[in-house]
Amino acid sequence: DAMVIQNPRYQVTQFGKPVTLSCSQTLNHNVMYWYQQKSSQAPKLLFHYYDKDFNNEADTPDNFQSRRPNTSFCFLDIRSPGLGDAAMYLCATSRVQGAGGPSDTQYFGPGTRLTVL
Amino acid sequence: SQQGEEDPQALSIQEGENATMNCSYKTSINNLQWYRQNSGRGLVHLILIRSNEREKHSGRLRVTLDTSKKSSSLLITASRAADTASYFCATYSGGYNKLIFGAGTRLAVHP
Repeated sequence: DAMVIQNPRYQVTQFGKPVTLSCSQTLNHNVMYWYQQKSSQAPKLLFHYYDKDFNNEADTPDNFQSRRPNTSFCFLDIRSPGLGDAAMYLCATSRVQGAGGPSDTQYFGPGTRLTVL
Repeated sequence: SQQGEEDPQALSIQEGENATMNCSYKTSINNLQWYRQNSGRGLVHLILIRSNEREKHSGRLRVTLDTSKKSSSLLITASRAADTASYFCATYSGGYNKLIFGAGTRLAVHP
């Protein structure tokens, strides 16, 4: 089945130790998103790729980086995780016609829960 | 900043009852979407309503949209224990293909 896959599902890292979360999709969608979700809060958009074009949210810390080597894969790199970065990280995809076009249904992966010790 | 605000924050009902959740937003929108999130999981898209639509149905779900009041409601009829989840509204208001999520309503349906 076409889907959005996130690995790992659970990630434990140490304070300051770089960590990479991965997302892959078989939907062939042109837009991929990374959200951070803390307990009992709404998902917060960190950045998204429209094809290869990277769009960073203004309030996303520099500690968070992303790579999209091809249509199917997208990575979230946290360069120096702090205790405040412990959260669920959600990847999502959608098919959008034209940069800035209407955002229709987004398809989410199951998330990666990050713990920072 | 969040575009959508949801009400109530938490809702507890018995199986078979109806559940109504409300969402308010601040700016004009292209569409409004509702998502469900089971505990510790990703979000699942439920329904999308466009700004020129007033009501939409999908199975036991009914969504209304009042653009003059900048509000939407999600009604789940004949609720089941499996409906226990958090429900989020999300709005698209233009630019950069992105949705803005509300804070969510946590629904608990008791057998």
